[in-house]
Formats: sequence, structure tokens, C-alpha cells
Amino acid sequence: NAGVTQTPKFRVLKTGQSMTLLCAQDMNHEYMYWYRQDPGMGLRLIHYSVGEGTTAKGEVPDGYNVSRLKKQNFLLGLESAAPSQTSVYFCASSQNSNQPQHFGDGTRLSIL
Amino acid sequence: QQPVQSPQAVILREGEDAVINCSSSKALYSVHWYRQKHGEAPVFLMILLKGGEQKGHEKISASFNEKKQQSSLYLTASQLSYSGTYFCGSLFNKFYFGSGTKLNVKP
Repeated sequence: NAGVTQTPKFRVLKTGQSMTLLCAQDMNHEYMYWYRQDPGMGLRLIHYSVGEGTTAKGEVPDGYNVSRLKKQNFLLGLESAAPSQTSVYFCASSQNSNQPQHFGDGTRLSIL
Repeated sequence: QQPVQSPQAVILREGEDAVINCSSSKALYSVHWYRQKHGEAPVFLMILLKGGEQKGHEKISASFNEKKQQSSLYLTASQLSYSGTYFCGSLFNKFYFGSGTKLNVKP
């Protein structure tokens, strides 16, 4: 039972570089979420999806794009990385909004 | 729209009790509770869907007062393993987590 798998686990980028974070879930969940967590802070929703082919903006969507082409995958893209995007990124999935969210182990992203 | 948690931090001795509160200025329709240990991902504890609902898991329980727009998490006879940061979360037009309550249980 893999649950929610995030790749990569760590990454260092230079300002202006682009990258994609991958989230994969094997629980057949409809909902998927991307959060960022800054040191000592709570989780802030970046984007989310309520089903294959759908995406919606969260609380802090600027500078990020997402895609959900397959139900099991949710991709988070940074087109032009900025130091302010240095954070830990968590992906989560749930069956619906009233079911538990299952989190991946996180991606630690540093932008220099 | 972010739920407000109190207190921000708690230090307990093993065996002591604690209460963590989560409140909102907007109507709460459901409340999620999660615990996150340092360097790890958040882990689900429980969801309360209805006003007046109470749930429990071992010595951790929660209540939801829909009219007061708040939920409380009760940790009874705390254990060292309860240390971590506790987050409440709720769905408004989108999902918001509170800023967290850091719980430190000492021997």
C-alpha cells in the first residue's frame, strides 16, 4: 500500500528555473490537493482537483500551475522559481471533502 | 477564512490533560483534526461532520459546537507520543487549515 507518493523528495533550484512536482495516489480518490508549508507555519492550499481533468485555485495559487490528466496523478508546476517559493510541498488525496485527507511525505524545495 | 486555533503552544507533563480549540468567524460545516510530528507529514485524527458530534480515538477525543462555530480537541492523560503540532481544518469555499497548536509532552 503506497498511498500517496511524491517525487522528488528534495530539490534545489536556481531562481528562474522551472520544475514539476509529481503526486501519485493508488486509493482511487477523487480529490487531490497541493499545499505548501513554510517553517513553523500551517498548511496553505495552492491548488486542488475534485476529479480527473479538473483543477481549481486554492488560497495561494500565484506562481504555480497544476494538471490532473489522470485520476491518480496531480502535477504541480513552477514555471519560473522564486526564492519566496522555498518551502515544503505536501500533496494529499481524499474521496471527497468530508473524508480524511491522506498526505504524501512531502517535497523539500529550496530556491537560491 | 482560516480557522483560529488556541493556544499556539502547550507544554505538558506526561499524564496531564490538554484542550486545543478551533474557532471560525464563518459557519463551520465540518471540522478535520490532524497531527504532524516534526519533519513528517500530517496524519488524520478525526472528522466531525455534525454539530454536537463527539468522537474519540483512544485518549484523544473531539467535540463540535456548530452554533458557537468551534471545535475542541481533548487529549487525556497525555503520552510522550502525543507530542507534535495539531491542526484543525475546515471547508469554506475551499479547504483551510488553522495555524496549528504545538504540543510538547515531557517525561
